[in-house]
Amino acid sequence: AQSVTQPDIHITVSEGASLELRCNYSYGATPYLFWYVQSPGQGLQLLLKYFSGDTLVQGIKGFEAEFKRSQSSFNLRKPSVHWSDAAEYFCAVGAWAGYKLSFGAGTTVTVRA
Amino acid sequence: SQTIHQWPATLVQPVGSPLSLECTVEGTSNPNLYWYRQAAGRGLQLLFYSVGIGQISSEVPQNLSASRPQDRQFILSSKKLLLSDSGFYLCAWSFDRGQGEAFFGQGTRLTVV
Repeated sequence: AQSVTQPDIHITVSEGASLELRCNYSYGATPYLFWYVQSPGQGLQLLLKYFSGDTLVQGIKGFEAEFKRSQSSFNLRKPSVHWSDAAEYFCAVGAWAGYKLSFGAGTTVTVRA
Repeated sequence: SQTIHQWPATLVQPVGSPLSLECTVEGTSNPNLYWYRQAAGRGLQLLFYSVGIGQISSEVPQNLSASRPQDRQFILSSKKLLLSDSGFYLCAWSFDRGQGEAFFGQGTRLTVV
């Protein structure tokens, strides 16, 4: 069964600083990996996804993530955060023709002025 | 393009009352459908998923049930709500053949009083 760990529950970052959110997965085959963002009281929005090919994937809102098979990681990065990036971020892993995604517990990002 | 509608956005119900949350998807056929519950700091818990009309799989035993009376309609129900049913409920869909990438509704905040 697949699983996801997000080691950081809460991260505080200054506006304009870089951001990196960690994600480690467990899955026996090639995983399909996702990052979602959730603003308070809202649903989840897909930021980016990795299925195959280039291990560095670009997403919306200036985010990118890098798949590292040797480390079973899929960390999310943004070079310069904006106050609007304050939200909760979820990493998820899926499988081909699989019915379910497995989500991490989420990382809450606070942006200070 | 595909859209997902989930309602109501907010609901306050007394203990012991029934529950019905509805979710519909437009713009696709035979989607996989999901109900998640989100508790603070605990990520997303998959409650039910469905791969077709009348086909419901339950992930965790609980006071809730789900039904799929039409291809793109998914309903979450309870005959008698408990205080512990309070939470944020999210409906989601994915393509019937794919990598499990899920698309989420805006969620329902349920408070049982």
